[in-house]
Amino acid sequence: ETGVTQSPTHLIKTRGQQVTLRCSSQSGHNTVSWYQQALGQGPQFIFQYYREEENGRGNFPPRFSGLQFPNYSSELNVNALELDDSALYLCASSLSGTSATEAFFGQGTRLTVV
Amino acid sequence: AQSVTQLDSQVPVFEEAPVELRCNYSSSVSVYLFWYVQYPNQGLQLLLKYLSGSTLVESINGFEAEFNKSQTSFHLRKPSVHISDTAEYFCAVRGGGSEKLVFGKGTKLTVNP
Repeated sequence: ETGVTQSPTHLIKTRGQQVTLRCSSQSGHNTVSWYQQALGQGPQFIFQYYREEENGRGNFPPRFSGLQFPNYSSELNVNALELDDSALYLCASSLSGTSATEAFFGQGTRLTVV
Repeated sequence: AQSVTQLDSQVPVFEEAPVELRCNYSSSVSVYLFWYVQYPNQGLQLLLKYLSGSTLVESINGFEAEFNKSQTSFHLRKPSVHISDTAEYFCAVRGGGSEKLVFGKGTKLTVNP
């Protein structure tokens, strides 16, 4: 059983650029969620994907978008990067449809916008 | 909507001392409650969870938490901490029907020799 893996681990981008972060779900999981963790803060929910469709979104602008693929891996895309987008981005996978589901997190991607 | 308040941003303790990290939540629906631990430069690891049943839940490394519905609390305790417990601890809530986790701001536990 493989865990949740994210790539890259670190990334530096310039303001205004676009970035794509990737996540491979834990084997057997069908739901992926993305969180943004700013320095010194708790993770904030960005959105969730289930069966390749977004089925929940937090208070983030449309320039944050995502995809989920048939193998349940996922991408987070951020357009027009701003300095405040600098954060640790966490991916979590879970198995929907069960009452006792729990989320398993990856190690995160540290994004720095300069 | 749910919210989580972690009352202490930093908790310094000496090794082998007891510790309590406080967590209060707000929700209009029944919830599931979680504690996650984050070591420096790492992701989140699930420490323990309350889904239903016994209000006292335990982890394999000696932590325990008690769900108190009347006080809307889910405090984390350990009777004797180790240096290796130094980390940031996050309390999280998930409302019935949703898999979105709402996190507190975290409590940084520092265990000193």
